[in-house]
Amino acid sequence: NAGVTQTPKFQVLKTGQSMTLQCAQDMNHEYMSWYRQDPGMGLRLIHYSVGAGITDQGEVPNGYNVSRSTTEDFPLRLLSAAPSQTSVYFCASSYSLGSVEQYFGPGTRLTVT
Amino acid sequence: SQQGEEDPQALSIQEGENATMNCSYKTSINNLQWYRQNSGRGLVHLILIRSNEREKHSGRLRVTLDTSKKSSSLLITASRAADTASYFCATDGGSQGNLIFGKGTKLSVKP
Repeated sequence: NAGVTQTPKFQVLKTGQSMTLQCAQDMNHEYMSWYRQDPGMGLRLIHYSVGAGITDQGEVPNGYNVSRSTTEDFPLRLLSAAPSQTSVYFCASSYSLGSVEQYFGPGTRLTVT
Repeated sequence: SQQGEEDPQALSIQEGENATMNCSYKTSINNLQWYRQNSGRGLVHLILIRSNEREKHSGRLRVTLDTSKKSSSLLITASRAADTASYFCATDGGSQGNLIFGKGTKLSVKP
């Protein structure tokens, strides 16, 4: 199993550009989530999904969209990038909502200039 | 909102010494986990302690949990340069199924 994979690893965007961060897992996990990590802030939840076709907002959802058309994939879209979205983004998955073990991807480091 | 708060924010020790990091949280939990993050890398799960446990060991790691004080500590014994990383505690208090992370302790182990 590859676990949780994320692409790209690094990305530089100009303000106003859009892009999609990819996340995939091959463990048949129902629950998937996106976090952002900023210096001195720990990780904060952006969006999450409890299964295909179901998504919901986390703590800091503004400026991001998600969709979950398959169990495996959970892409995060930045519609119009802003410098405040410069961060490291982590995708995580677990067997179901409330599962104790969550598996994290390696992260995507995004810089918006 | 963040639940866990690690203390200290940064810790610098010599190889062979013990490193102790503390974590405090605000609400009731079912479990508390510790993660390590090497610079520029992802999160690695270290250990989980459940609310009905007081102490847990894994190799050179010892975790304690005091639910009455809403606090936990992570002890790394006989530290090595390879232990240099940031350490985060995370609790299961998120109503959205998410983990709630603290801000982390940055550990530097000098050879």
